[in-house]
Amino acid sequence: SQTIHQWPATLVQPVGSPLSLECTVEGTSNPNLYWYRQAAGRGLQLLFYSVGIGQISSEVPQNLSASRPQDRQFILSSKKLLLSDSGFYLCAWRSGGLNSPLHFGNGTRLTVT
Amino acid sequence: AQSVTQLDSHVSVSEGTPVLLRCNYSSSYSPSLFWYVQHPNKGLQLLLKYTSAATLVKGINGFEAEFKKSETSFHLTKPSAHMSDAAEYFCVVRSRYSTLTFGKGTMLLVSP
Repeated sequence: SQTIHQWPATLVQPVGSPLSLECTVEGTSNPNLYWYRQAAGRGLQLLFYSVGIGQISSEVPQNLSASRPQDRQFILSSKKLLLSDSGFYLCAWRSGGLNSPLHFGNGTRLTVT
Repeated sequence: AQSVTQLDSHVSVSEGTPVLLRCNYSSSYSPSLFWYVQHPNKGLQLLLKYTSAATLVKGINGFEAEFKKSETSFHLTKPSAHMSDAAEYFCVVRSRYSTLTFGKGTMLLVSP
């Protein structure tokens, strides 16, 4: 069966520090991968998605970047965090066609101080 | 363009009473619709999905939703609430181009 791992679960970082959140998927190949951010009261915002290794699409201009060095690995990064980067970050994957649902990781709670 | 409106930010029910979480959508094409549940500091779990088959969709944990095209609604229901149902629920619409749009969520509070 397919599983998704996302870490760390919680993170507290000072303003200006770098960020690296990692997500890996097991049990499937060539998934579409997504990074979402959830801010309080705002629902989910799509940040990046990837349909293959090295292919990244950005949905929102921001202080963040994403990379996909391997088929089932998706990394969210920042060189210098801002206070506004605080939030709950969710990795998700999908495969099997247009009607297949998203499957989410357990998320990372990021607090920038 | 597509959009999702969850009509209530908070819904409070007593354990054992029915649950109704309302969702209205707009989409230029026949959409796929989903309901997800999120427990505190957890990822989102798929409850059910509608993909143009039966209009009444049954999901996990006793939840179901009915797609009503004439009303552009996809309300989530459960006959009898359980304490473990307390969580945040998201209605999601996907267009033919696979763009996902999430509602802002409805927090379900269940009292004993």
